[in-house]
Amino acid sequence: KAGVTQTPRYLIKTRGQQVTLSCSPISGHRSVSWYQQTPGQGLQFLFEYFSETQRNKGNFPGRFSGRQFSNSRSEMNVSTLELGDSALYLCASTSGTSDYNEQFFGPGTRLTVL
Amino acid sequence: AQSVTQPDIHITVSEGASLELRCNYSYGATPYLFWYVQSPGQGLQLLLKYFSGDTLVQGIKGFEAEFKRSQSSFNLRKPSVHWSDAAEYFCAVGGGNKLTFGTGTQLKVEL
Repeated sequence: KAGVTQTPRYLIKTRGQQVTLSCSPISGHRSVSWYQQTPGQGLQFLFEYFSETQRNKGNFPGRFSGRQFSNSRSEMNVSTLELGDSALYLCASTSGTSDYNEQFFGPGTRLTVL
Repeated sequence: AQSVTQPDIHITVSEGASLELRCNYSYGATPYLFWYVQSPGQGLQLLLKYFSGDTLVQGIKGFEAEFKRSQSSFNLRKPSVHWSDAAEYFCAVGGGNKLTFGTGTQLKVEL
């Protein structure tokens, strides 16, 4: 079974631009969570989608948004990029909503904002 | 609010030596606890998890962790470290597909 895939793997943008990152979960998984990883703040939860609905949201400004499609693929969008948005963005998928479900992580998208 | 503390930012051990990585958590209810490992340029891989039951849990790659409610700890151990274990290790708490991570411990293995 294929793992979680994220595209693109690397991205360079300039301040003020917007960016869209994509995540394809493991086949059959319906929940997708997004995390931001930076050297200063570590791993921080952005949001989680299940069956096209946002279930949980972390403490990030409204510039960060996401969505999930009927095939469970998810995208996250960051508008008006700032230098501090440079990070590794990780997506994780699980099969359901139970607390017992293991999250499987993708390799991440490395975003650099210049 | 839930939180995780990993007090050791860096740890260096010799290959073949034992390892213990510390993790303390704060969680309002029954904690769901996890240890993940991240190699350079890679995503996170789950080593082991604790939900309930036996407080000593076994994971992959020879790792184990012990849940101690009285100390709010979930330390990761390995009896004999291999050079390939060099990576960053994250303890996490949570549920409902929302994890709170510690800041990580970078493990270096000396040959």
